[in-house]
Amino acid sequence: GENVEQHPSTLSVQEGDSAVIKCTYSDSASNYFPWYKQELGKRPQLIIDIRSNVGEKKDQRIAVTLNKTAKHFSLHITETQPEDSAVYFCAASKNSGYALNFGKGTSLLVTP
Amino acid sequence: DTGVSQDPRHKITKRGQNVTFRCDPISEHNRLYWYRQTLGQGPEFLTYFQNEAQLEKSRLLSDRFSAERPKGSFSTLEIQRTEQGDSAMYLCASSAQSGRALNEQFFGPGTRLTVL
Repeated sequence: GENVEQHPSTLSVQEGDSAVIKCTYSDSASNYFPWYKQELGKRPQLIIDIRSNVGEKKDQRIAVTLNKTAKHFSLHITETQPEDSAVYFCAASKNSGYALNFGKGTSLLVTP
Repeated sequence: DTGVSQDPRHKITKRGQNVTFRCDPISEHNRLYWYRQTLGQGPEFLTYFQNEAQLEKSRLLSDRFSAERPKGSFSTLEIQRTEQGDSAMYLCASSAQSGRALNEQFFGPGTRLTVL
């Protein structure tokens, strides 16, 4: 089955700096890669996703890049703010609408 | 609130008892998913439905677990003869196969199960 590795497990940055979280996956058939943000005690919420026919996608301060050859994808957050502090999960799936295989999460702390 | 809802939000039970959780998806969503999340881990897929049909089950879903979605709307997840290792947050998600949020999985608040 699909195995998704995520690192780092914790990341601390100062407000205004950039944060990068990286994930690798094992199943070359995977072609849908969402990122979820989970604040303490709350449900995971989708922040951005990318499909395998696209190499990069950007939404304001958030961007995701995908390298299908190397089987890795990354989340980039620029100009971080304290409200970006949360746990971020990457996931991979053979197609959108199917079961998601999640990484173990990255706890991001943005200090003022 | 028109999002995914789950009931109960918390459940404490003794080992060996049976428990049942309910999930109500967003009304126009035809796909419904169950995940389990333990502390410090990402959600782990358990099973999913398209309408009333159960299309995929994870190997994590032992014989003690059963899920149903009889009318293609709400779903129930039952755990029989609970074990302490079943303690976790059980998350439900739903998605639509058309529209603006195509196939985006929206999660519910979860049911936290504690097995004593």
